Amino acid sequence: KNQVEQSPQSLIILEGKNCTLQCNYTVSPFSNLRWYKQDTGRGPVSLTIMTFSENTKSNGRYTATLDADTKQSSLHITASQLSDSASYICVVSAGGGGADGLTFGKGTHLIIQP
Amino acid sequence: GAVVSQHPSWVICKSGTSVKIECRSLDFQATTMFWYRQFPKQSLMLMATSNEGSKATYEQGVEKDKFLINHASLTLSTLTVTSAHPEDSSFYICSARVYGGYEQYFGPGTRLTVT
Repeated sequence: KNQVEQSPQSLIILEGKNCTLQCNYTVSPFSNLRWYKQDTGRGPVSLTIMTFSENTKSNGRYTATLDADTKQSSLHITASQLSDSASYICVVSAGGGGADGLTFGKGTHLIIQP
Repeated sequence: GAVVSQHPSWVICKSGTSVKIECRSLDFQATTMFWYRQFPKQSLMLMATSNEGSKATYEQGVEKDKFLINHASLTLSTLTVTSAHPEDSSFYICSARVYGGYEQYFGPGTRLTVT
């Protein structure tokens, strides 16, 4: 069964600090891995998408890594801001992509404190 | 670009009534749209996939007669929750995909509360 596990479940850090969120997956065949940011009461917004051949991808202060061998990904947030408070969801696509092949993690709830 | 809107953003209805939620792709044509529901502190759960001009494909356990999906145009899909009950209260999110693409663009979600 395809699964995506995220850790930690929740995280509280001070503004300005860095943090790293983890994602482990057992999805086959692998197509791509996505990180989304979801603000409370809003839809997910894409941060990064990585295919099998990509090890790292950045989007501003967000840097995602992918190790396809160990089936692990991480999302590193640098110099956190209050607006980074949100849930971060790891989504893995199997096969041809699209919702019919997506497996969602439960997300990491991140709180940035001033 | 690639903006998806939903309407309404929140709705409160009485048990037994029906509610329609609209999902629109504002600046692109979406041959495929997806409907999800999300309970508090849970991940998104796919309910159904709809392709323009054809019947929706529902995930196992989702009642197609209760959750009516219509994808009448390349920019609009609707989800109608019929005979709503309190257990249908949830956050409903749609997403849209361009033909031939794999990226999904999510709408802002609709909060449904059934009293």
